Parts: sequence; C-alpha cells; structure tokens
Amino acid sequence: AQSVTQPDIHITVSEGASLELRCNYSYGATPYLFWYVQSPGQGLQLLLKYFSGDTLVQGIKGFEAEFKRSQSSFNLRKPSVHWSDAAEYFCAVGAESGAGSYQLTFGKGTKLSVIP
Amino acid sequence: EPEVTQTPSHQVTQMGQEVILRCVPISNHLYFYWYRQILGQKVEFLVSFYNNEISEKSEIFDDQFSVERPDGSNFTLKIRSTKLEDSAMYFCASSEGINSPLHFGNGTRLTVT
Repeated sequence: AQSVTQPDIHITVSEGASLELRCNYSYGATPYLFWYVQSPGQGLQLLLKYFSGDTLVQGIKGFEAEFKRSQSSFNLRKPSVHWSDAAEYFCAVGAESGAGSYQLTFGKGTKLSVIP
Repeated sequence: EPEVTQTPSHQVTQMGQEVILRCVPISNHLYFYWYRQILGQKVEFLVSFYNNEISEKSEIFDDQFSVERPDGSNFTLKIRSTKLEDSAMYFCASSEGINSPLHFGNGTRLTVT
C-alpha cells in the first residue's frame, strides 16, 4: 500500500524568503504525485501534479516541485513566499485502482505560517 | 474555471439520523470521489465512482455509507444512522480520468451531536 510522509507539521518563514516543503512517498510503481493547498475554511486546491516526463514540474502561484525517484521525494518549493501563501499544504500519491480511476493517499499536511 | 460544488457547507445532525451530502462535479468529468478529513487527521479516501457504479471503496466505506448519481449532474453521499465519529469534513472530487488530477470541492462539514 502507498503512503506519504510530510515530516514537518508546521513551518514559519518570513515574507520574501524561500520555501521548501518536504514530502516522501512509498509506492511500488511509478507514482502519480500531487501537491494541494488548503486555506482555512476552503477546499483542496491543486497546486501541481506529476504523472510522467520532466521531473521538475511547475504549478500555480509560483510553486514548483521536483520528483526524485532515488530519494522517493517530491518536495515543494517557492523562491519567494508571499503572506497569502499561509495555508496548509498536502502532498498526495495516486495509485491506479482500475477502470481509469485512482486513489489518492494524502500526507498529514504541513501548516505554513508567514511572518511579515 | 469550472468547479466542484458541495452543499451544504455545514450540516449538523443528531446521532442516529440519516444525512445526504450533495455534490455537483465538473460537467465533463467521468470519475467521482468522496474523501473525508476528521479534524486534525489526514484526508482519507472513501469511495470512487465511475459509469454508475462504485469502482473502489475503502474499509471506512461500510454498509452505513452509499453513493448515488441520481441524475446527470448530482453525486450524493448518504450516511445512514450517523455516529459521533462520522463528524468530519467530507470532500467531493471529480476528474476526467487517468492522467488527470482530482478537483475538489470546498467540503461539507458534518457535525454529529
């Protein structure tokens, strides 16, 4: 069974500083990998996804993530954080479950706080 | 941009009652899902639905739960005889299919008292 570990429960960064959120996954085959963001009272918004191909993927809001198979990692990065990036970030791995659907397994999330 | 919409945003019910959570997936999507997030815990998969039948369900999705697509637009989750531990945020999601990401709604917060 697949699993996702986000080792950092809470991270605080200063506005304008760079950000890296860690994600490690466990899955037997080539994974589908995702990062979602959840603002308070909101749903899960897709930031970016990896299905295949280029291991560095670009997402919305200036985020990027790099798939490193050798490290089983899919860390999320942003070069300069904005106060509006404060939210909870979830990494997820997708496993095919037949008939074209797939099941997402989420990490516990990393809460990002941004200080002015 | 098209979105997944869920109603109501918050539902309060008494233990033992039945609730129906409603979702309108994105119109050209073919795959539908329910996930839940108990406060402070991970988002967990409940069920996937395709071609008018359940594709996969988790061990959480027992006989207390059922899903239905009663018409061409709605996708519902019914919880019979609710328990206190059913209190959670329930997310609906849809996708075009494999190689397409899941798009989530804003969730329905279910509180069982």
